[in-house]
Amino acid sequence: NAGVTQTPKFRVLKTGQSMTLLCAQDMNHEYMYWYRQDPGMGLRLIHYSVGEGTTAKGEVPDGYNVSRLKKQNFLLGLESAAPSQTSVYFCASSPLGPDRMETQYFGPGTRLLVL
Amino acid sequence: GQNIDQPTEMTATEGAIVQINCTYQTSGFNGLFWYQQHAGEAPTFLSYNVLDGLEEKGRFSSFLSRSKGYSYLLLKELQMKDSASYLCAGLDSNYQLIWGAGTKLIIKP
Repeated sequence: NAGVTQTPKFRVLKTGQSMTLLCAQDMNHEYMYWYRQDPGMGLRLIHYSVGEGTTAKGEVPDGYNVSRLKKQNFLLGLESAAPSQTSVYFCASSPLGPDRMETQYFGPGTRLLVL
Repeated sequence: GQNIDQPTEMTATEGAIVQINCTYQTSGFNGLFWYQQHAGEAPTFLSYNVLDGLEEKGRFSSFLSRSKGYSYLLLKELQMKDSASYLCAGLDSNYQLIWGAGTKLIIKP
């Protein structure tokens, strides 16, 4: 099993450009999450999904959109990148939701620099 | 507001014991997680506590006191590979994870 994979690993964007980050998991997990991690701050939830075809907003959703067309994939889109979106983005998945006290399995991260 | 506090950085010696503290203020409480994150890598699960007391897993133990809003992670027989950041995360009444900023642990020979 590859677990959770993320594409790309690193990207440089100019302000105003758009891009899509891809997360894939092969563990048949229902729940998937997108976080951003910034220096001196805890992980912050951007969006999450409780199953194929569903998405919901997290703590910091502004400037991002997501889609979960297939159970194994969760896409994070930036329509018009801003320097404030420079961060490390982590995708995670879990078999069930946090209400079942499930641990989350994280991907290796995508480092995004917006100039 | 909701908050997770943990020290920014700690230093310890190889072979020694270190305790990383975490205090939390969440709207309700449904448990506390500890994750390990090596530099440039993904967080990986270490432990979960929902009841008071100590949970031991090999060299790592995690303690919880719900009345004090306090947890700690205890690492014994420190090895160089334990150099990493340790993330504390509380699960609030809505089952949202509230993450601390992490404690960077530096192990010296």
